Amino acid sequence: GAGVSQSPSNKVTEKGKDVELRCDPISGHTALYWYRQSLGQGLEFLIYFQGNSAPDKSGLPSDRFSAERTGGSVSTLTIQRTQQEDSAVYLCASTESPSRGHEQYFGPGTRLTVT
Amino acid sequence: AQSVSQHNHHVILSEAASLELGCNYSYGGTVNLFWYVQYPGQHLQLLLKYFSGDPLVKGIKGFEAEFIKSKFSFNLRKPSVQWSDTAEYFCAVTPSASGTYKYIFGTGTRLKVLA
Repeated sequence: GAGVSQSPSNKVTEKGKDVELRCDPISGHTALYWYRQSLGQGLEFLIYFQGNSAPDKSGLPSDRFSAERTGGSVSTLTIQRTQQEDSAVYLCASTESPSRGHEQYFGPGTRLTVT
Repeated sequence: AQSVSQHNHHVILSEAASLELGCNYSYGGTVNLFWYVQYPGQHLQLLLKYFSGDPLVKGIKGFEAEFIKSKFSFNLRKPSVQWSDTAEYFCAVTPSASGTYKYIFGTGTRLKVLA
């Protein structure tokens, strides 16, 4: 079946512009996670959704970052007034349910470059 | 704060050599542990996971990991690596406590296997 998809695959933007990154989880997966992957930094947790609510948004680096999920499915991560340090690969993952230990299925990521 | 440490950032091995990648976590409670792998140009995918029971876990492609609770470790091993094992490997932990669904990832280990 279809896996997690993300769009765009690559995004180049100018400093100060807003960007929206999209994630389509696997159908039926109730939990959705956003991560940021920077060189040498591993995967940095950003936010987690259960259904449409976000019980844990502790990883969002600043108030320029926000995310929402609608219909228990698609999620968008928005970065306002982008900065060069926002350049990274943004990964989305989904799991069947939020209960502990379920395997996360990752999308291909969106590579964001802020010039 | 919870954290995961992967001390080997880059590892280079010849084919048929044995592999052991270190992973240590800091969390005092019960945890679930994972190893994910990212092959060049591919998505992150699950290699193996530990929930409970036998601390020696076997995964795909001949990989195994041993959970040593007293050492807070979950090292990944493979007796004989192949060129196709060239990839980046990530250790992850999620606390088993109810209501805590955040996955913490290490910074990753880049493995290069020479043919």
